[in-house]
Amino acid sequence: NAGVTQTPKFQVLKTGQSMTLQCAQDMNHEYMSWYRQDPGMGLRLIHYSVGAGITDQGEVPNGYNVSRSTTEDFPLRLLSAAPSQTSVYFCASRNTGQGVYNEQFFGPGTRLTVL
Amino acid sequence: AQKITQTQPGMFVQEKEAVTLDCTYDTSDQSYGLFWYKQPSSGEMIFLIYQGSYDEQNATEGRYSLNFQKARKSANLVISASQLGDSAMYFCAMSLTGNQFYFGTGTSLTVIP
Repeated sequence: NAGVTQTPKFQVLKTGQSMTLQCAQDMNHEYMSWYRQDPGMGLRLIHYSVGAGITDQGEVPNGYNVSRSTTEDFPLRLLSAAPSQTSVYFCASRNTGQGVYNEQFFGPGTRLTVL
Repeated sequence: AQKITQTQPGMFVQEKEAVTLDCTYDTSDQSYGLFWYKQPSSGEMIFLIYQGSYDEQNATEGRYSLNFQKARKSANLVISASQLGDSAMYFCAMSLTGNQFYFGTGTSLTVIP
């Protein structure tokens, strides 16, 4: 089991560029999510998905798009990067079988810098 | 509105001593989950322990225990017999129905030899 994988680990973009952060999990989890971590702010939920074809917004969705075409993959798209999107991005997944009582498993993170 | 509050930005503890990291939460839901995660300097998020809102007993996992006081809306993490490898950021988190997950701002723990 690889768990939750993310690529790339590091990325530098120029303002206005677009890119996709990849996330995959091999645990057959229905729930997947994206967070950003900024100094002093903890982790904030960007978008989440409860299954293929179903996505919803979290706390800070602006500037990001997601889609979920398979159970395994949940990519995060930045259509026009801004310096305010410089952050560390984490993807996570969990089983939804016990509702609120399941922990999330996190990927190793992607450190993104927007110049 | 802040749903998870961690008031200790940094804590120090002597090796082999116990330490308590504070966490308070805010929700009117009856069903929720409370979690603690560890983030070492390498950056990964490691799940430590969880407590369900209906659990009457405090959760324990090895040297970690969660002091759950529902009426006070607190979910403090207790680490017993601290080790140098416990030096890390610690995050308290809460899951609510509706698939929202909230994290606190974290506490940086330093274990002193």
